[in-house]
Amino acid sequence: DGGITQSPKYLFRKEGQNVTLSCEQNLNHDAMYWYRQDPGQGLRLIYYSQIVNDFQKGDIAEGYSVSREKKESFPLTVTSAQKNPTAFYLCASTPQGPGGYTFGSGTRLTVV
Amino acid sequence: AQSVTQPDIHITVSEGASLELRCNYSYGATPYLFWYVQSPGQGLQLLLKYFSGDTLVQGIKGFEAEFKRSQSSFNLRKPSVHWSDAAEYFCAVGPLNQAGTALIFGKGTTLSVSS
Repeated sequence: DGGITQSPKYLFRKEGQNVTLSCEQNLNHDAMYWYRQDPGQGLRLIYYSQIVNDFQKGDIAEGYSVSREKKESFPLTVTSAQKNPTAFYLCASTPQGPGGYTFGSGTRLTVV
Repeated sequence: AQSVTQPDIHITVSEGASLELRCNYSYGATPYLFWYVQSPGQGLQLLLKYFSGDTLVQGIKGFEAEFKRSQSSFNLRKPSVHWSDAAEYFCAVGPLNQAGTALIFGKGTTLSVSS
């Protein structure tokens, strides 16, 4: 079945470390997105990509980086510059044309 | 500014009672509107969407929503709530004619169902 796979489901990071969250889709969707979710804050956009080798900053891009080398993959790196990285991270994709997002099941990142 | 407001942070409804979750939006372009549901620790699932035509749209799990342009609202309703409906609900808006542009989400409404 087609869908979006996020891995790992749980991730622990030490202070000062970079970590990379994986997002893979086999839906042949063109656009992919990363959101951060904190309690009571809803979903806040980190980065999005409408086509391969192109991406745009969202509302809270500082301390994060992405790449889009393949249509299927949109990894998110949480760098040491992100001072409060503990959160639930959601990846989503959508085809070109009208349609809602398909979401992955999320990665919970905790700083230890 | 473009935004989505869900006025109710938390709602408790008795099982079998009706439900209405409110959503108001501010958006410059013709909106494309969505409701999503999220169970704890999970991703979001699309309940329904509206982009044109009949302003009353039907979704999965017995949910429906009504688009009211004059009130900039897109409220979600269900005639009889089941215990399994307890979850967090998000309203979202995007531009109808700009495919791939990111959606704007409300902060969510948590639904609790009492027996």
